[in-house]
Parts: sequence; structure tokens; C-alpha cells
Amino acid sequence: ETGVTQSPTHLIKTRGQQVTLRCSSQSGHNTVSWYQQALGQGPQFIFQYYREEENGRGNFPPRFSGLQFPNYSSELNVNALELDDSALYLCASSRGLQETQYFGPGTRLLVL
Amino acid sequence: GEDVEQSLFLSVREGDSSVINCTYTDSSSTYLYWYKQEPGAGLQLLTYIFSNMDMKQDQRLTVLLNKKDKHLSLRIADTQTGDSAIYFCAEQGSGYSTLTFGKGTMLLVSP
Repeated sequence: ETGVTQSPTHLIKTRGQQVTLRCSSQSGHNTVSWYQQALGQGPQFIFQYYREEENGRGNFPPRFSGLQFPNYSSELNVNALELDDSALYLCASSRGLQETQYFGPGTRLLVL
Repeated sequence: GEDVEQSLFLSVREGDSSVINCTYTDSSSTYLYWYKQEPGAGLQLLTYIFSNMDMKQDQRLTVLLNKKDKHLSLRIADTQTGDSAIYFCAEQGSGYSTLTFGKGTMLLVSP
């Protein structure tokens, strides 16, 4: 157990809808990174938040957005869902930048 | 851009050693990681190695790093059926602290 929690565990949405995924970081961690893992692939970096500011973004469109709160928990929002957004969304927290990342159990999103 | 490559599948018998290989392209990598993923689960950190080291041992796990060839390996001694999972190699560059993952190696351990 890493102490990183994510909710919900599973979610089914239809194309065009919006979704919000949540992540609680491990105690003492101020950095949260989000990854998308499509079936049979390795995780792909979406973006990272450090002390409530976005600190880097992968090759994902603007309809993927996020927030980090003062308690360092984080949200990932996806607008205008597409079928290809179906994936496991993983959140990882770390004590700071360039520190080891510890992953939560993920949220499995299915878009129909 | 940065790339991480792994072989896709490895099958071993219980009690044998397993060696999972990984190559990467980013010469500025600072840390290299091995994560384990069981079906339907998130990623479990197994071990990591700093880029100025060439070997790290942690119980049944041995990580070897050849920085010149940008080659990383994970050796699991006395492999057990509970080791069956997908193993991901990941590199962390010196710029952003993000991780770049390979596609994973599925390890199947038979009794």
C-alpha cells in the first residue's frame, strides 16, 4: 500500500460527456503526476502538479485539465470524452520534483 | 523524443532466475525505475537505480545498468508464481521529473 488513493475505481461514460477523477496524495507529498494507460501499453504522462501549479504537460489536448488543492490532493478533468479516452488513469505522488513516484490503484474509465 | 524499449514476454519455470531487459535513449536520465503491475491493479515500485551506479541489489532483485549502452536489466532470483505480472521499466529525465515508460514485459512463471 502506497497511501495514494484514487476515486472512483471504475467509471462508465458516453462520448461527449465530462468526467472528473480524484487523487489523494501520500502524506508529506507535494507533487502529483497523472498518467493514462491504454490497454496493453505503458503509462503515458498527462501532466504534473507541484505545490498547486502545473509543472509540465505531456502530449494531451487541452480538454485534459487538472487542479491541485492546498492539501495537495488533485483532480483530473476530461471534457468532450472520446472513445479513445477509455483507459486506466493513474495518479502518482512524490515528496517533490525529481523524487520517486508512488502510484495509486488507478481509475478505469470506459467511454461508450 | 525519449523512448524506452522492452521485450514483451518472458516465460520461466518456478525457481529459475528471470532477466528482464530494457533500453532507453535519454542520455540525461537521472533515475531508472522498475515497477510491477498485477492484473487490474496500479503500479508497485520494485526498485530504482541512480544513473551513476552500475548495480543495485535488493533481496531477490538485482538491477544492472550499462550507461554507455543505455541498457538496464532486472534479475529476479528464485522466481515464484507470485512474480507473474507485467514489469515496466521507466526513466526519469533531468528536465521535468516525469517518467517515460516502456510498454512492459509480461512475466509468466509456471510451476
